[in-house]
Amino acid sequence: GAGVSQSPSNKVTEKGKDVELRCDPISGHTALYWYRQSLGQGLEFLIYFQGNSAPDKSGLPSDRFSAERTGGSVSTLTIQRTQQEDSAVYLCASSPDPKETQYFGPGTRLLVL
Amino acid sequence: GDSVTQMEGPVTLSEEAFLTINCTYTATGYPSLFWYVQYPGEGLQLLLKATKADDKGSNKGFEATYRKETTSFHLEKGSVQVSDSAVYFCALSDAGQGAQKLVFGQGTRLTINP
Repeated sequence: GAGVSQSPSNKVTEKGKDVELRCDPISGHTALYWYRQSLGQGLEFLIYFQGNSAPDKSGLPSDRFSAERTGGSVSTLTIQRTQQEDSAVYLCASSPDPKETQYFGPGTRLLVL
Repeated sequence: GDSVTQMEGPVTLSEEAFLTINCTYTATGYPSLFWYVQYPGEGLQLLLKATKADDKGSNKGFEATYRKETTSFHLEKGSVQVSDSAVYFCALSDAGQGAQKLVFGQGTRLTINP
């Protein structure tokens, strides 16, 4: 079946612009995670959604980062006023249950000039 | 907080060599442990996992045993192939906290030469 999909696959933006990154989880998966993979910080957790519960935002690095999940399915990660240090690969993962294996998407490679 | 320390890379081996990638962890609870692999140009894939002490995870000839006494989860393979060239990530999740948000090690790049 279809896996986790993310769009765009690559995004180049100018410092100070806003960007939106999209994640389509596997159908029926209730848990959705965002991670960031960067050279300096490795792979780090950003935010987690489970059903209709309030999201766990404990990994968001600043208030310029926000995310939403509409209808318990698609999620959008928004970065406002992008900075060069936001350049990274942003990974989305989903799982059928919070305690089950996470399945990762291919990522969105963001470059902030 | 929880953390994972991985053997630094890159690691270069010849085909059919024995592989060990060391991983140790620090956690306050009783975490589950994972190895993920990222092949060139592909996304992260779960390679194997272990959910409690003394469990052994295995897949594709790779093995790792959850050692609580040494807080380790070293990855091993008896005979590597060129197709094993990838970046390997050790990770943990503290299921006691309710969700499996993963804490990753820094990753180890493995290159296998024919």
